[in-house]
Amino acid sequence: DAGVIQSPRHEVTEMGQEVTLRCKPISGHDYLFWYRQTMMRGLELLIYFNNNVPIDDSGMPEDRFSAKMPNASFSTLKIQPSEPRDSAVYFCASSVQGGGYTFGSGTRLTVV
Amino acid sequence: DAKTTQPTSMDCAEGRAANLPCNHSTISGNEYVYWYRQIHSQGPQYIIHGLKNNETNEMASLIITEDRKSSTLILPHATLRDTAVYYCIVSDRSSNTGKLIFGQGTTLQVKP
Repeated sequence: DAGVIQSPRHEVTEMGQEVTLRCKPISGHDYLFWYRQTMMRGLELLIYFNNNVPIDDSGMPEDRFSAKMPNASFSTLKIQPSEPRDSAVYFCASSVQGGGYTFGSGTRLTVV
Repeated sequence: DAKTTQPTSMDCAEGRAANLPCNHSTISGNEYVYWYRQIHSQGPQYIIHGLKNNETNEMASLIITEDRKSSTLILPHATLRDTAVYYCIVSDRSSNTGKLIFGQGTTLQVKP
């Protein structure tokens, strides 16, 4: 099992550009989570899906952020337009109900 | 979800047992105790979880007090590679409204 796969590993973009982060969960996992980590705020849960349906997006910072899960094997987190304060490491994780989460290696986003 | 309290940092000598405490005095009956760790610049890693009984796996042991208001994660023979931030989280994962909210965790430094 390759685990949770995130791409890209690093992204540097200019303020105002659209950024799309991608995640492939572990096959058979029916929960998918997007987290953001910064030094100031730690690990923050942004949104999570169950069976491809968004369950709780209360952590999404504002309308510039959107997430989709078109099928069980793929999810995207989009920021449009990006701002310097969006710079962070974004983690995707997947799990089965009640089980431990498996996290990906993260995408380090830098907005200049 | 109930809140947890952990010491900010701890040291442990290599080869000795590391005992990491966690207080969760407001835990409810359906909430599990989860432990994760995050080694520098990696995604968080699941360690162990439990409801009321003590649990052990190849990584660690989890001791939960009888009143469930606190727990201890035990790494029996700490190595330098166990240096990480350790997160204690309580969550009701029995339904799809459960989610893991990470606090600041305990930074464990294993010293030679």
